[in-house]
Amino acid sequence: GAGVSQSPSNKVTEKGKDVELRCDPISGHTALYWYRQSLGQGLEFLIYFQGNSAPDKSGLPSDRFSAERTGGSVSTLTIQRTQQEDSAVYLCASSLASGRAINEQYFGPGTRLTVT
Amino acid sequence: AQSVTQLDSQVPVFEEAPVELRCNYSSSVSVYLFWYVQYPNQGLQLLLKYLSGSTLVKGINGFEAEFNKSQTSFHLRKPSVHISDTAEYFCAVSLSGGGNKLTFGTGTQLKVEL
Repeated sequence: GAGVSQSPSNKVTEKGKDVELRCDPISGHTALYWYRQSLGQGLEFLIYFQGNSAPDKSGLPSDRFSAERTGGSVSTLTIQRTQQEDSAVYLCASSLASGRAINEQYFGPGTRLTVT
Repeated sequence: AQSVTQLDSQVPVFEEAPVELRCNYSSSVSVYLFWYVQYPNQGLQLLLKYLSGSTLVKGINGFEAEFNKSQTSFHLRKPSVHISDTAEYFCAVSLSGGGNKLTFGTGTQLKVEL
């Protein structure tokens, strides 16, 4: 079946512009995660959605970052007023319901964001 | 807070030789442990995981890892590597009851040479 897909695969934007990154999780996966992979910081957790529960936003680096998950499926990560330090690969992952069970996270190919 | 240390940023090895990639973690609570592999220009793929039970865990592609609680380690091993194993390997932990969010190490680049 189809895996996690992300779009765009590459995004170049000017400093100060807003960007939206999209993630389509695997059908039936109720948990969705965003991570960031950058040269300086490695792989960092950003935000986590589980069903209808309030998202865990503890990894978002600033209030310029926000994410939504509509209809329990597609998610959009929005970065407002982008800065050069936002340049990174943004990875999305999904899994079956989390909680007491530990389910494998399946990762998408990522969106490479370059802020000029 | 939990953390993961991968001391080796790069590990060169000849084909058919054994390899060990080191991972140490710190946490005040129980953790689950994972190894992921990232091939060039691809997403992360789960190699293996330790949740409980036997401390020796076998994964895909002939890899295995051993959980050592006293040394807080989860080193990854393969007895004989192949050129196709060239990739970046990430060790990760998640907290018991922490919603499965992963904390990653900085990664180890494994380069297999002929």
